[in-house]
Amino acid sequence: GAGVSQSPSNKVTEKGKDVELRCDPISGHTALYWYRQSLGQGLEFLIYFQGNSAPDKSGLPSDRFSAERTGGSVSTLTIQRTQQEDSAVYLCASSLKGNRPGNTIYFGEGSWLTVV
Amino acid sequence: AQKVTQAQTEISVVEKEDVTLDCVYETRDTTYYLFWYKQPPSGELVFLIRRNSFDEQNEISGRYSWNFQKSTSSFNFTITASQVVDSAVYFCALVTASGGSYIPTFGRGTSLIVHP
Repeated sequence: GAGVSQSPSNKVTEKGKDVELRCDPISGHTALYWYRQSLGQGLEFLIYFQGNSAPDKSGLPSDRFSAERTGGSVSTLTIQRTQQEDSAVYLCASSLKGNRPGNTIYFGEGSWLTVV
Repeated sequence: AQKVTQAQTEISVVEKEDVTLDCVYETRDTTYYLFWYKQPPSGELVFLIRRNSFDEQNEISGRYSWNFQKSTSSFNFTITASQVVDSAVYFCALVTASGGSYIPTFGRGTSLIVHP
């Protein structure tokens, strides 16, 4: 696609349920990033993929969070047993190559998650 | 360790005023990249500019200009003759060439409100 595509745009879920957020990066981009932005806060790094592997998972806040990427393209961020503090915008981004520091990363519009 | 500080949480101006958004960064690397992104109310971060550490030339793009000063570790962003459409949250980001994963570190953002 022309840009980074994320779905769903908005998700309201009950506490304790699992949610899956999907990211479709720009075609040809090998690097994919997940960030979280809580209300009025900055961007919190969650995980980074280079191809299908995740060399940096350091930002995942707990073992309830996991992510995978298949075929070097689409990625899914899964949050198990959601808690109210998980409410945030989850932003996905991609860049041409993650192993070049100068590559610009491009963001999707985010998935707004509300846990009630 | 790398760090980006955007000390201004919120700036409010009246249309046609000039406004400068500050960005101060910390890194021990000599090779790094700095970015500015705009996040309008729709949520998607829009790439504005990238600057590498070896290029201290200032840049002007229409009403936007950027002042990069390595001596003060700053990469400030000025909007001339601000307009209501400039209202957004602006993020400064840093990527260093060490570490291998090149994960961008973002500041907490500056919310710019331009009143008509």
